[in-house]
Amino acid sequence: KQEVTQIPAALSVPEGENLVLNCSFTDSAIYNLQWFRQDPGKGLTSLLLIQSSQREQTSGRLNASLDKSSGRSTLYIAASQPGDSATYLCAVTNTNAGKSTFGDGTTLTVKP
Amino acid sequence: EPEVTQTPSHQVTQMGQEVILRCVPISNHLYFYWYRQILGQKVEFLVSFYNNEISEKSEIFDDQFSVERPDGSNFTLKIRSTKLEDSAMYFCASSRRRDSINEKLFFGSGTQLSVL
Repeated sequence: KQEVTQIPAALSVPEGENLVLNCSFTDSAIYNLQWFRQDPGKGLTSLLLIQSSQREQTSGRLNASLDKSSGRSTLYIAASQPGDSATYLCAVTNTNAGKSTFGDGTTLTVKP
Repeated sequence: EPEVTQTPSHQVTQMGQEVILRCVPISNHLYFYWYRQILGQKVEFLVSFYNNEISEKSEIFDDQFSVERPDGSNFTLKIRSTKLEDSAMYFCASSRRRDSINEKLFFGSGTQLSVL
């Protein structure tokens, strides 16, 4: 059974800092890994999707890496801003039917 | 930008009552999903749906749950006889997935279900 773990559970940084969020998964037989952002009371927004054959994806100030063999992914946020404050979720897709297993998330607070 | 729409945003019901949660996926998407998130817990997969049938379901998705695509636009989750432990935020999601499983998931804003 796939288990997804995210550390740290919470992170508070001053504006402008670069930061790294971590995600690990137990079963490396995945189709892809997605990083999502969740704002309080809102749905999930997909930030980046890394296919199992890829090593990284970039979008603006975000860079996600994937090391499938070790079961790890990182989300790097450059030059953090207060608007980046949210919960970041990592999810791996395990089956061809698209079932995704989520981690608990990292709650990020960026202080002005 | 196209979005997944869920109604209602909040639903309060008495234990044992039936509820139907509604979703309008993005129009050119082919795969549809329901997930739920109990307060303070992880987002959990319930069911995936493609070509008018269930593709996969989790252990949570027992006989009390059903899904339907009654027309070309709506996708519904029905809980026949609600229990207290069904209280959660229910998210609908969809993906395009024409040629590859590697398409982003688009989530709705969720329906907060409270069972009293």
